[in-house]
Amino acid sequence: AQSVTQLDSQVPVFEEAPVELRCNYSSSVSVYLFWYVQYPNQGLQLLLKYLSGSTLVKGINGFEAEFNKSQTSFHLRKPSVHISDTAEYFCAVSESAGNQFYFGTGTSLTVIP
Amino acid sequence: NAGVTQTPKFRVLKTGQSMTLLCAQDMNHEYMYWYRQDPGMGLRLIHYSVGEGTTAKGEVPDGYNVSRLKKQNFLLGLESAAPSQTSVYFCACLPHNSGAYEQYFGPGTRLTVT
Repeated sequence: AQSVTQLDSQVPVFEEAPVELRCNYSSSVSVYLFWYVQYPNQGLQLLLKYLSGSTLVKGINGFEAEFNKSQTSFHLRKPSVHISDTAEYFCAVSESAGNQFYFGTGTSLTVIP
Repeated sequence: NAGVTQTPKFRVLKTGQSMTLLCAQDMNHEYMYWYRQDPGMGLRLIHYSVGEGTTAKGEVPDGYNVSRLKKQNFLLGLESAAPSQTSVYFCACLPHNSGAYEQYFGPGTRLTVT
């Protein structure tokens, strides 16, 4: 089974500042990688995903992430955050031949005015 | 087009009581999943189904049962609820072989077991 580590449980950042949310996974087998966002009292929605191809993927709301196979990482970035980005962010991994998704413990992003 | 719906939204149970959570999707997706979300633990997979009439265990299946009698519905049952099952439960679905690999989540069911 995969293991997904989100090193930062809480990240406070000032509005319009850049942010990076870190994600590392355990396996070196071929994987699919995802970032989901959860707003308060809602379900999860997909921000972006890496399936194959370019290691830099762009998602909704100005977010992007870079897949680094050698470091088994998939860090999420945004150059300038807004108040509306305050939410919980989850990294998830699926083995490309599998049916299951493994989620990290989440990072709570708080944007400070 | 409602997407993924979950019934009920909230529920309080006493220890030992039973209940069934319903997940319904109108997207004709083959795969369906039940997760639980607990503070500091992210989402953990309870059970999943790759098609009508099939189910499989996830990471934390103990104390739960599931059924997928119809493609659009995935039921999660608690036969004898325990306080450790207090959690927020999310259902998700996924189209098979679409190439998109995007899970669609329901709004969640908040369950409290006293």
